[in-house]
Amino acid sequence: ETGVTQTPRHLVMGMTNKKSLKCEQHLGHNAMYWYKQSAKKPLELMFVYSLEERVENNSVPSRFSPECPNSSHLFLHLHTLQPEDSALYLCASSPDSTGTDTQYFGPGTRLTVL
Amino acid sequence: AQSVTQLDSQVPVFEEAPVELRCNYSSSVSVYLFWYVQYPNQGLQLLLKYLSGSTLVKGINGFEAEFNKSQTSFHLRKPSVHISDTAEYFCAVRVVPYNQGGKLIFGQGTELSVKP
Repeated sequence: ETGVTQTPRHLVMGMTNKKSLKCEQHLGHNAMYWYKQSAKKPLELMFVYSLEERVENNSVPSRFSPECPNSSHLFLHLHTLQPEDSALYLCASSPDSTGTDTQYFGPGTRLTVL
Repeated sequence: AQSVTQLDSQVPVFEEAPVELRCNYSSSVSVYLFWYVQYPNQGLQLLLKYLSGSTLVKGINGFEAEFNKSQTSFHLRKPSVHISDTAEYFCAVRVVPYNQGGKLIFGQGTELSVKP
C-alpha cells in the first residue's frame, strides 16, 4: 500500500462518544499533519508533528487530542464533540516540516456528530 | 499575518475552453505558493508550486501558474480543459523562512465545473 491512508473513511458519532481517527503514511516522511475541512471554509491546520514531536497546535479545543506514536502513524482522539465539529478531517505528511516540501494528503475521514 | 483569497468560488466552463482560476495573497514577507486539486471523495493533490526562479510554473495535467509579485497573485491556467478536470482547486501560501510562521495557509477553494 502506498501514500497516505486514513481510517475510517466515514464516522458518525454522538456527542458523548469517544472515537479515534487513524492516519498512516508509507512514504518515509518525518512530518505529519491534521487538517479540518468544513464546507465553504478554508482548510484549517490543527496539529503538526515532526519526528513524533508536536511542533504546532493551532488553538484546537481539548476535545481533540492527537497522538503520534511513530513517524508513520498519527491518531486523532475525539471525545464529547459538538455538532459543529462535523467536517472532513484530512491527514497529510511531508519529508519534513519546513516550507518547501510538498504535503501529501490522505482521502480524509468524513465525520458527522449527531 | 498572511492570507489567501480565491476570487471565484465557482467557475463553470465548457470542455476544451481555456480557464483561469484566480488567487491573490497578502504577506509582508516572501512566500512559497502552491496549487492543490481535490477530486470528489479524495484528499488534496499537489498541482504545482512556486519556490523561486522562473515566475511561470508548469504542473501536472497541463496546468500552469504565474507568480506576479507586484500584484501578489498566483493565478492558475489551463488552455483547454477536460471533463476530468472537474474538481475543487485550492491555492495556498507558506512563509519564507519557516521559522517566521511556516504553516500552509489555504484559500477557500474554487469549484471548477467542466460541462460537455
